[in-house]
Order: sequence, then structure tokens, then C-alpha cells
Amino acid sequence: QVQLVESGGDLVKPGGSLRLSCAASGFTFSDYYMTWIRQAPGKGLEWISYINSGSTYTSYVDSVRGRFTISRDDAKKSLYLQMNSLRVEDTAVYYCARSDYSGTFSDYWGQGTLVTVSS
Amino acid sequence: DIQMTQSPSSLSASVGDRVTITCRASRSIISNLNWYQQKPGKAPELLIYAASSLQSGVPSRFSGSGAETDFTLTISSLQPEDFATYYCQQSYRTPHTFGQGTKLEIK
Repeated sequence: QVQLVESGGDLVKPGGSLRLSCAASGFTFSDYYMTWIRQAPGKGLEWISYINSGSTYTSYVDSVRGRFTISRDDAKKSLYLQMNSLRVEDTAVYYCARSDYSGTFSDYWGQGTLVTVSS
Repeated sequence: DIQMTQSPSSLSASVGDRVTITCRASRSIISNLNWYQQKPGKAPELLIYAASSLQSGVPSRFSGSGAETDFTLTISSLQPEDFATYYCQQSYRTPHTFGQGTKLEIK
């Protein structure tokens, strides 16, 4: 069965960095787009980035572009999100999700990992 | 960015009711519209993709319709497990923005 397990969430000070990981199993990881979505406490969902199969294309929401970098390692069946220059407003649960072959919907989600940015 | 607006933001209904949630896009998104259900403390789950295609394993009481800028999610007969928050999402242009959510509560 498809499984996605996020890790790496932590408490970090403003301006700090963090790297999130998402370990995938139960499907051919290299065939799929992968997406990061976040949810601030008590708020709605925010799509933040995706990466295509083959890692030739990425896209970001404006609020994280230039600070966050999405990447994948198909040999390790893992997705990553490098987060730099963290701000208080980046505090959220971060979900990784498997998306379809064109990245248009996310059919499996991990359980999420909490990132807290606070001094 | 494309703005997605859901209505209502919250809704009270009873088991067995027929419920409709609407989602409006700030510009045409053709049929690139998805619906997700989220229960407290859990990750969202995909219900409908491409406006009207039912995700595998989702009960047939859920249906989606619409095109261009106006979309609806309908639950034909509410079950106790359907009380949750529902989000629409456009996937026509990145960033793939979500609506603000509709919280469906028990009356």
C-alpha cells in the first residue's frame, strides 16, 4: 500500500534552516510528481511546491520562492524540502503528497510534520 | 494567482440531508478542480478530481460538477462520517491554490 512518512519537523528560530524529508513506499516513486502542502495551526491548506518525475521541473508559491528548495532522490524514494530564512509565518504542519502524472491532484498524503518557527 | 472562494464557510446539517458546497475561481480553470475532505488531526483525502471524477474508494454519495469558474460538491445523503472540513483546489495554474474550506457540522 502507498505510504508517505514525513520527518524533520522541529522548533527553529526565525532566520534558521530546516530540512524536511518524506519517505515513500508502495508505489513506483520515480513515476510521480510529488508535492508539499502546509497548514498553519487552525488555518486552511496552502500548496507550496511540487517537483516532476525526473526532477526537471519545480514550482513554488511566491511566499517561499527563493527560501525553500524542493528536491527528490528516486534511488532512495525520498522527497525533500530545504527551508532557509524561516519566518514565524512558516509555522505549520507540512504534508508531502503523491500527485498524479501531471501534478494536477494529490491522491495520497503523509501524516504531516510540524515546523514551529519561534524565538 | 488564481483565487478560490468557497461558500458557505460553515454549514450545519443532519444525517440524511443533501448538502451542496460551492467553489468559485477568480478566472476560468476549465475543469481543473479537486475536492478534498479533512477530519480533525488527519491529513486531507482526495474525493473528486477534474471537477467530476470520483476518486477510487470514495462513496458514490459524493459527486462534483461544474466548469470554468463555478463548481459544486454534493453529498447526496449525509452520513455521520462525512462531518469534516472540505476544500476545493484549482490545478490549472501553479500555485495550485485551495479554497478557504467549508466546515460541515452536525445540526
